Amino acid sequence: AQTVTQSQPEMSVQEAETVTLSCTYDTSENNYYLFWYKQPPSRQMILVIRQEAYKQQNATENRFSVNFQKAAKSFSLKISDSQLGDTAMYFCAFNNNAGNMLTFGGGTRLMVKP
Amino acid sequence: DADVTQTPRNRITKTGKRIMLECSQTKGHDRMYWYRQDPGLGLRLIYYSFDVKDINKGEISDGYSVSRQAQAKFSLSLESAIPNQTALYFCATSDLPRSRGTDTQYFGPGTRLTVL
Repeated sequence: AQTVTQSQPEMSVQEAETVTLSCTYDTSENNYYLFWYKQPPSRQMILVIRQEAYKQQNATENRFSVNFQKAAKSFSLKISDSQLGDTAMYFCAFNNNAGNMLTFGGGTRLMVKP
Repeated sequence: DADVTQTPRNRITKTGKRIMLECSQTKGHDRMYWYRQDPGLGLRLIYYSFDVKDINKGEISDGYSVSRQAQAKFSLSLESAIPNQTALYFCATSDLPRSRGTDTQYFGPGTRLTVL
């Protein structure tokens, strides 16, 4: 079974600064997919970014980028130029090649301070 | 308009009552999922359905049942609700992989259920 670990329960960052959220996972599979989801106070789960394990290039989406280290089973999220609207819970998630279940980490609560 | 909707958004009920949570989607996706989120935790899969005739148990299916009435509708039922089923419930959808790889799941707004 896969496990996903987020070791930072809470983090804070000043507006306009950069912050990195950590995620590690454990799997015996070679092909899989990793995601970061954002859950603001509205509780909606919003996809932030996705990474295919077979791609060596790190995914980027505007101010959001990942550092995917397959050998180390690490998948961190970097948020550049943090904005107040980035305040939310962030969940790292793993999906295997069958696509039938997302395994989530416990989440990191990020607060962006003005 | 939202692509994935859930009704009700909030519900308070009593122990032993039957509860149904409904999910509808306009994304045209074949795959639908029900997850549960407990405070301070990530989501856990209850049931999933790859099409109308294909329903599968997830990680925590005990005490729950589902019905896939149509491609666009997937309902979750608690036959006899108990307090430890108090949680936030999410429906999600995804499409069949178009090419190599898995599918991204898109979530509804969630239903907050409280069982007294």
